[in-house]
Amino acid sequence: QSALTQPPSVSESPGQSVTISCTGTSSDVGSYNRVSWYQQPPGTAPKLIIFEVSDRPSGVPDRFSGSKSGNTASLTISGLQAEDEADYYCSSYTSSSTYVFGTGTKVTVL
Amino acid sequence: QVQLVESGGGVVQPGRSLRLSCAASGFSFSSFAMHWVRQAPGKGLEWVAFISYDGSNKYYADSVKGRFTISRDNSRNTLYLQMNSLRAEDTAVYYCARDWRKHFDCWGQGTVVTVSS
Repeated sequence: QSALTQPPSVSESPGQSVTISCTGTSSDVGSYNRVSWYQQPPGTAPKLIIFEVSDRPSGVPDRFSGSKSGNTASLTISGLQAEDEADYYCSSYTSSSTYVFGTGTKVTVL
Repeated sequence: QVQLVESGGGVVQPGRSLRLSCAASGFSFSSFAMHWVRQAPGKGLEWVAFISYDGSNKYYADSVKGRFTISRDNSRNTLYLQMNSLRAEDTAVYYCARDWRKHFDCWGQGTVVTVSS
């Protein structure tokens, strides 16, 4: 049950785009579309922002988008805003009927 | 609206036990699988355990298998996590989360567990 691999941090100016990668294995990300992304501002509980690789729950801005290729999923935030500054985690269902989170990425808006 | 409220956290000595609760409201609790997820201080999220809607299926992270037990009481709309043989590395904020199509769609505010002598 090794954590999925994410970059520790990314930063960009307001209005720009950032992409966060999430690399797993053929036993999790590579085998299922049960990949999701969570946003966690400091001191708060996580919030689901992407499910099933690329779908958005109602109320989540379309600036957030997801994709997957092989064992790697990605989250892109377009038109970066100050309120997007937070930690972001990916998650995947696994072939062992368990779940695994990514190592987390801190997004900084310069 | 959907609400999950955890309780039962606190300071406990290594080797002792603690039981966490998660009170659910605003949705049909008995229709949803549930999870426990934890976050150690300054660290990332770690999935802990899963229980199916009727309690018939349970899965655990290797780090807690054999020490933690997830359960639920659908008549009380409450999820539980019994934690035995606690270790310093179990120190974390513990969140309960609702399962929706194998994603975590709603989260509680968390309860803090500190394992220390």
